[in-house]
Amino acid sequence: KAGVTQTPRYLIKTRGQQVTLSCSPISGHRSVSWYQQTPGQGLQFLFEYFSETQRNKGNFPGRFSGRQFSNSRSEMNVSTLELGDSALYLCASSLASGGAGNEQFFGPGTRLTVL
Amino acid sequence: SQQGEEDPQALSIQEGENATMNCSYKTSINNLQWYRQNSGRGLVHLILIRSNEREKHSGRLRVTLDTSKKSSSLLITASRAADTASYFCATPPGGSNYKLTFGKGTLLTVNP
Repeated sequence: KAGVTQTPRYLIKTRGQQVTLSCSPISGHRSVSWYQQTPGQGLQFLFEYFSETQRNKGNFPGRFSGRQFSNSRSEMNVSTLELGDSALYLCASSLASGGAGNEQFFGPGTRLTVL
Repeated sequence: SQQGEEDPQALSIQEGENATMNCSYKTSINNLQWYRQNSGRGLVHLILIRSNEREKHSGRLRVTLDTSKKSSSLLITASRAADTASYFCATPPGGSNYKLTFGKGTLLTVNP
């Protein structure tokens, strides 16, 4: 079975631009969660999608948004980028929700640098 | 805020030694999971322990859970240089069945 894939792997943007990151979950997995990882704040939950519905959202501004398609692929978008958005963005897929005791399978991440 | 807090923040040992990492959390949970992350890469699930379990083994890994103290420990026996990584505990915060909240991790260095 193919693992979780994320594209692109690396991205460099400038302040004020917007960016879209993509995540393809493991076949058959319907839950996709997104996390932001920075040295200062660690791993922070962004949002989770299940069957095209956002079920939970972390404490991030409205500039961070996401969606999930019928094939379970997910995208997240960050508008009006700020320097502080530089981070490793990780996507995780699972059969059902991670919080309910389901193992989450992580992708390799997208390293976003905002200049 | 962080639900889980790992201790110590960093640990350096020699190959062959055992490594113990601890995790404390704040609210009641239905499960606790441990993950490993190699330098700047994605996380790998190691083991899940449910709230009604006290101990679980997987290969060289042993996890314990004490719900009365709201704490868990991860023991890696006979460590290898390849075990060098950051280790995170993750829990669903109280009342949540959806998201997982991660601690800041323990950076384990195993010296050859």
